[in-house]
Amino acid sequence: GENVEQHPSTLSVQEGDSAVIKCTYSDSASNYFPWYKQELGKRPQLIIDIRSNVGEKKDQRIAVTLNKTAKHFSLHITETQPEDSAVYFCAASISNDYKLSFGAGTTVTVRA
Amino acid sequence: GAGVSQTPSNKVTEKGKYVELRCDPISGHTALYWYRQSLGQGPEFLIYFQGTGAADDSGLPNDRFFAVRPEGSVSTLKIQRTERGDSAVYLCASSSVVPDTQYFGPGTRLTVL
Repeated sequence: GENVEQHPSTLSVQEGDSAVIKCTYSDSASNYFPWYKQELGKRPQLIIDIRSNVGEKKDQRIAVTLNKTAKHFSLHITETQPEDSAVYFCAASISNDYKLSFGAGTTVTVRA
Repeated sequence: GAGVSQTPSNKVTEKGKYVELRCDPISGHTALYWYRQSLGQGPEFLIYFQGTGAADDSGLPNDRFFAVRPEGSVSTLKIQRTERGDSAVYLCASSSVVPDTQYFGPGTRLTVL
């Protein structure tokens, strides 16, 4: 099955700086890569996703890049704000599949 | 509109007891998923429904776990003879088509004493 690894496990950044989280996946058939944000005690919420037919996608301060050859994808958050503090999960799913395989999560803390 | 809802939000039970966890998906969503999230980990897939049928239950850890979705909407995850290792947050998600964005519920925190 698909194995997703996520780094770093914790990340502390100064407000206004950028944050980068990286994930690798094992199955070359994976073609859908969502990122979820989970605040303490809350549900995971989709913040951005990318499919394998594109290499980059942006939404305001958030961007995701995908390198299919290397089987890795990254989340970039620019101009971080205190409300960006949360646990972020990357995930991957195989073509025409439905199961999401999640990384272990990255705890992001934005220092004011 | 209303999102995915789950009840109860918290469930404390004793080892060996039976529990039922309920999920109400977003109206009109045909696909429904159950995941389990242990402390400090990402969600792990348990089972997936397309309509009323379980299309894939390969993530269920053993035969103590069972899930139903009799009318293609609400789903119930059933755990028999609970063990302390079953303690986790059980998340439900739904999507309108497959594969597509999965929207998660708030989860049920199960604690087995």
